[in-house]
Amino acid sequence: QVQLQESGPGLVKPSEILSLTCTVSGGSINSYYWNWIRQPPGKELEWIGYIYYTRSTDYNPSLKSRVTISLDTSKNQFSLRLTSVATTDTAMYFCARSKSPTGADSVFDSWGQGILVTVSS
Amino acid sequence: DFVMTQSPDSLAVSLGERATINCKSSQTVLYGSNNKNYLAWYQQKPGQPPKLLIYWASTRESGVPDRFSGSGSRTDFTLTISSLQAEDVAVYYCQQYYIAPFTFGPGTKVEIK
Repeated sequence: QVQLQESGPGLVKPSEILSLTCTVSGGSINSYYWNWIRQPPGKELEWIGYIYYTRSTDYNPSLKSRVTISLDTSKNQFSLRLTSVATTDTAMYFCARSKSPTGADSVFDSWGQGILVTVSS
Repeated sequence: DFVMTQSPDSLAVSLGERATINCKSSQTVLYGSNNKNYLAWYQQKPGQPPKLLIYWASTRESGVPDRFSGSGSRTDFTLTISSLQAEDVAVYYCQQYYIAPFTFGPGTKVEIK
């Protein structure tokens, strides 16, 4: 049973960079699509993007200019970098695995518990 | 982008009664070449991540009780809880995975009457 765990700072100042890491255990990161999804307080879920083990990526156009997702296979981790954050980026950030090992067009069957990131000065 | 809408925003159902949640996509999520609807349902309880319940519009994820069922095609879908249990109190989201950016509905909150 694969498990995911997010880590990173819970508070980021406006205009700075949000950096989060997702550590994968119980399975290899060398397959599947690995996603970041966020949920502002009391609001709906927003898909941020994914990275495949080949390091191909796709991002939500609404965030594309500010987002980078990267992979560290030696540590079985993948990371999110969001630049120029604003208060509207305050959200619970989840990492999640796509159910299909080969299809990007897949549902999310394994999730981390989430990490609340607040953007505030 | 595909816009997902859900109705109602919330509903209160007596224990043992049926709960029905609707989801509508702004465009079809039925892929013609494989005749599959790229529509999923998730359950989210307070303080927890979403849990996958249904995918391909009607396929239950392993371990999901059979009181949960999904139906519909193209743009209109339904999640039914046939006999509501106390542990089913949650927010339910639909999601299209037909094309990126993958999008979710706004959620439907299910409570006990």
